[in-house]
Amino acid sequence: KNEVEQSPQNLTAQEGEFITINCSYSVGISALHWLQQHPGGGIVSLFMLSSGKKKHGRLIATINIQEKHSSLHITASHPRDSAVYICAVHTGKLIFGQGTTLQVKP
Amino acid sequence: NAGVTQTPKFQVLKTGQSMTLQCAQDMNHNSMYWYRQDPGMGLRLIYYSASEGTTDKGEVPNGYNVSRLNKREFSLRLESAAPSQTSVYFCASTRGVDSPLHFGNGTRLTVT
Repeated sequence: KNEVEQSPQNLTAQEGEFITINCSYSVGISALHWLQQHPGGGIVSLFMLSSGKKKHGRLIATINIQEKHSSLHITASHPRDSAVYICAVHTGKLIFGQGTTLQVKP
Repeated sequence: NAGVTQTPKFQVLKTGQSMTLQCAQDMNHNSMYWYRQDPGMGLRLIYYSASEGTTDKGEVPNGYNVSRLNKREFSLRLESAAPSQTSVYFCASTRGVDSPLHFGNGTRLTVT
């Protein structure tokens, strides 16, 4: 079993829908990162969390340390949100989830 | 502010050839990482350097060596390239566990 599991692996949504991507981990962590990678593109950091909740524009990230779970929410999704979303946990080194491929259709 | 710079962007090698992937950051970050990304496998850690002067193996270190030349630079060397090393390689850096990650743009390597 991977130490970091993301769900779903693939997600298709219609423009405007509310989207949730989940990340569960089985190790002790000092921080959790959410990253975004557009097709053929580089990797961009969206959030770094060690507790609670963060919001940036239409993106919201939450973490529950006791339950070892984090969620990334996208409100009012748009086709430009189509990308791979990656969860990574910091344990002294970084461990990545497999990624969630999101496609938002107009 | 250049951030994390990786060179080259593309490379084609023949089996058995050697090469070094270069990574430099100008943000005075302590930790630097090398990852490979393969279809369906996600990002896998090859080597990392928690601070200048230290390096540690990650999940898939075989066939690679690294050098943390100074605080800015962290290079990845393939001594004898194999087709299994065909991948996209990313370098990343961070100031520490409470700081965001910064990634380079990647190096697409093909070994024939």
